[in-house]
Amino acid sequence: GAGVSQSPRYKVAKRGQDVALRCDPISGHVSLFWYQQALGQGPEFLTYFQNEAQLDKSGLPSDRFFAERPEGSVSTLKIQRTQQEDSAVYLCASSPLEETQYFGPGTRLLVL
Amino acid sequence: EDQVTQSPEALRLQEGESSSLNCSYTVSGLRGLFWYRQDPGKGPEFLFTLYSAGEEKEKERLKATLTKKESFLHITAPKPEDSATYLCAVRRNSNSGYALNFGKGTSLLVTP
Repeated sequence: GAGVSQSPRYKVAKRGQDVALRCDPISGHVSLFWYQQALGQGPEFLTYFQNEAQLDKSGLPSDRFFAERPEGSVSTLKIQRTQQEDSAVYLCASSPLEETQYFGPGTRLLVL
Repeated sequence: EDQVTQSPEALRLQEGESSSLNCSYTVSGLRGLFWYRQDPGKGPEFLFTLYSAGEEKEKERLKATLTKKESFLHITAPKPEDSATYLCAVRRNSNSGYALNFGKGTSLLVTP
């Protein structure tokens, strides 16, 4: 069966550019999470959706980061005015409510 | 605040040389301890969930155990294909829908 997919897999942006990262969760999964993983570190929580509701965005590092899941399936993480410190791998995970999270392959973002 | 510490940061084993990875955690009310495997350029792959002290789970050459303060991932007679980063995580104590707090991981290299 299809797992979590993310696009693009790689993104190079110039500093100040806006980027949009897409996540397609496993069909029927209620919960969707975004994580940020810096090189050599574990993933760090950014935000959580239950269906279309964003219930926790406490991990978003600044107001330049925005996420949405308007129809309760596909989600988009948007970063405005990218900075070099935004360079990282952005991971999306989905799960049935309160169960094991399954991760996508990630989007590797490089801001020059 | 929930904390997860993994040791060692890196481990090099010869094929067939058994060893253990450690994950120490501090959390108020454990709601699950998770082990994931991450290969370079890929998202974390789920291995195990443990919920209570004394619990053990096995999968091929891997066995995960849990005490009140730490978890161990035992690798018996490893093979080169077991080379990966192993991540430990606990569920966050928040409204984040059971998002995960990860350690930094242990990078395992198994040589022939």
